[in-house]
Amino acid sequence: DAGVTQSPTHLIKTRGQQVTLRCSPKSGHDTVSWYQQALGQGPQFIFQYYEEEERQRGNFPDRFSGHQFPNYSSELNVNALLLGDSALYLCASSPYYSGANVLTFGAGSRLTVL
Amino acid sequence: ELKVEQNPLFLSMQEGKNYTIYCNYSTTSDRLYWYRQDPGKSLESLFVLLSNGAVKQEGRLMASLDTKARLSTLHITAAVHDLSATYFCAVDSGNTDKLIFGTGTRLQVFP
Repeated sequence: DAGVTQSPTHLIKTRGQQVTLRCSPKSGHDTVSWYQQALGQGPQFIFQYYEEEERQRGNFPDRFSGHQFPNYSSELNVNALLLGDSALYLCASSPYYSGANVLTFGAGSRLTVL
Repeated sequence: ELKVEQNPLFLSMQEGKNYTIYCNYSTTSDRLYWYRQDPGKSLESLFVLLSNGAVKQEGRLMASLDTKARLSTLHITAAVHDLSATYFCAVDSGNTDKLIFGTGTRLQVFP
């Protein structure tokens, strides 16, 4: 049973560019959350998607947007990249209303902005 | 605003020794999570503590939760090199799956 899969694993962009990161949730999970983890820091919640809608959002600017598809997979888009957007982006999935005790994290996408 | 603080931020310990990592949080919550992260890797769930007084043990690690004190501890017994990693505690903010993480404790175990 595949867990949470993310792509790409690594990517390099320059300031001002746009990036799209992808996530496929664990089988049986319908909710996807995205976290940003800067170097040496704990992960920070970006937003959560369920039924193709953004359900919760953390303190991130509108440059960060997302999408969830009918098959529950999700994308994270970041526009007008800044140097400070360099981080590991983690996707996590769970069944809705199940609580974080069944949250499963993917391996992450490491974004470097030059 | 919910805050989660861990200490120490960095811990270097000799194999065979015992130590405790502390996690304090700023608001009422009866759900606390401990994760392990190896360099460049994702988060591995270690413990889920769902009520006051909960204690869970796995191998050389034991976690406990005191919701009245808003404190969780992760105790390491007779450390071994394989435990070297960064450990995070996280608190459920009250909303489904939205975790607030601490800054992490980087543990290094040396011979």
